Amino acid sequence: KAGVTQTPRYLIKTRGQQVTLSCSPISGHRSVSWYQQTPGQGLQFLFEYFSETQRNKGNFPGRFSGRQFSNSRSEMNVSTLELGDSALYLCASSPTSGRSTDTQYFGPGTRLTVL
Amino acid sequence: AQSVTQPDIHITVSEGASLELRCNYSYGATPYLFWYVQSPGQGLQLLLKYFSGDTLVQGIKGFEAEFKRSQSSFNLRKPSVHWSDAAEYYCAGSGNTGKLIFGQGTTLQVKP
Repeated sequence: KAGVTQTPRYLIKTRGQQVTLSCSPISGHRSVSWYQQTPGQGLQFLFEYFSETQRNKGNFPGRFSGRQFSNSRSEMNVSTLELGDSALYLCASSPTSGRSTDTQYFGPGTRLTVL
Repeated sequence: AQSVTQPDIHITVSEGASLELRCNYSYGATPYLFWYVQSPGQGLQLLLKYFSGDTLVQGIKGFEAEFKRSQSSFNLRKPSVHWSDAAEYYCAGSGNTGKLIFGQGTTLQVKP
């Protein structure tokens, strides 16, 4: 099976712009989670989508949003970019939602740089 | 609050030496625990996981981890480290929601 894919791999934006990142889960996986990784804060959970519904949300401002499509692909959007949004954004997929025993499989990430 | 702590930010070991990376957790109930590895510029790869049962779990690449409830620990071990093991290692836990809470990570450097 193909792994989790994320596009684009690298992005450079300027403050105030918005950005959309895409994630395609492993075939058959219905849950997609997003994480932000920064040197200062480490890995932090953003949100999880399952069957096109947001199931969990982390402690991030409303500028961060996401959605999931019927084919389980997911996008996350960040509006009004700030310098502090520069990070590696990781997507993870798992077969179901909310089951702690499900392993999450991570994609390679999208490196976002905000200038 | 639920948390996962990795006390060691950076560890250096010689190639061929044994390795132990520490992880402590704080959860209301026993969490599900994971160890992931991240090479530079890459995503996270699962090394092993603990859900229940045998407290010593085996993973990929020769890694193992031992769950100790009395110490709230889930330490990762490898008997003989290879230069290719140099990477960032993350311990993570999940409770009822499946949301992963990560430790701050431990950078492993391997000396030739």
